[in-house]
Amino acid sequence: GAVVSQHPSWVICKSGTSVKIECRSLDFQATTMFWYRQFPKQSLMLMATSNEGSKATYEQGVEKDKFLINHASLTLSTLTVTSAHPEDSSFYICSARDGYNADTQYFGPGTRLTVL
Amino acid sequence: QKEVEQNSGPLSVPEGAIASLNCTYSDRVSQSFFWYRQYSGKSPELIMSIYSNGDKEDGRFTAQLNKASQYVSLLIRDSQPSDSATYLCAVGSSGDKLTFGTGTRLAVRP
Repeated sequence: GAVVSQHPSWVICKSGTSVKIECRSLDFQATTMFWYRQFPKQSLMLMATSNEGSKATYEQGVEKDKFLINHASLTLSTLTVTSAHPEDSSFYICSARDGYNADTQYFGPGTRLTVL
Repeated sequence: QKEVEQNSGPLSVPEGAIASLNCTYSDRVSQSFFWYRQYSGKSPELIMSIYSNGDKEDGRFTAQLNKASQYVSLLIRDSQPSDSATYLCAVGSSGDKLTFGTGTRLAVRP
């Protein structure tokens, strides 16, 4: 149980384009999902907290107009990187919180984004 | 500001030995504690959760929590080369986001 999927697993795009990443909880309902970014050999950095049916809460320094988050259902959250640039190249990981084990987060496999 | 601190390592242990990973946290009202394992290039994987003082064992893994000292640890018995990874400590406070440490890199020598 507690499986989280992400799609795509990797993506290469040209500078200036937008990329959408999907995060799904497959066998549980997740009222809250989280989006992280991780650069090589660095620690996880929380970007935003996504709550079903409401606006996401962004961490300080994360541009909400650049990183659009939508959490339209209890099993799906999406992150759209708008007008991507090479410095946005990173490993993007989502996690979902299991409502029955209030704080436990299960991570998706991650999406590696490369912007040329 | 809530902080979770871990020694970055690397912690090097021989195969078969016990690996001891430590973590301290600053928020006294923290209620939930987690250990995640992250292999290079992969996402974190939940290993253990612990909520009460004392020890919790799961196979070769034992989590230890001491709320008075604000300290949580992970012991890995009979360490295997496949245990080589970065171990992340995470701390939560009832419904809030988790605060992660920067991780300890463990290297198990064959």
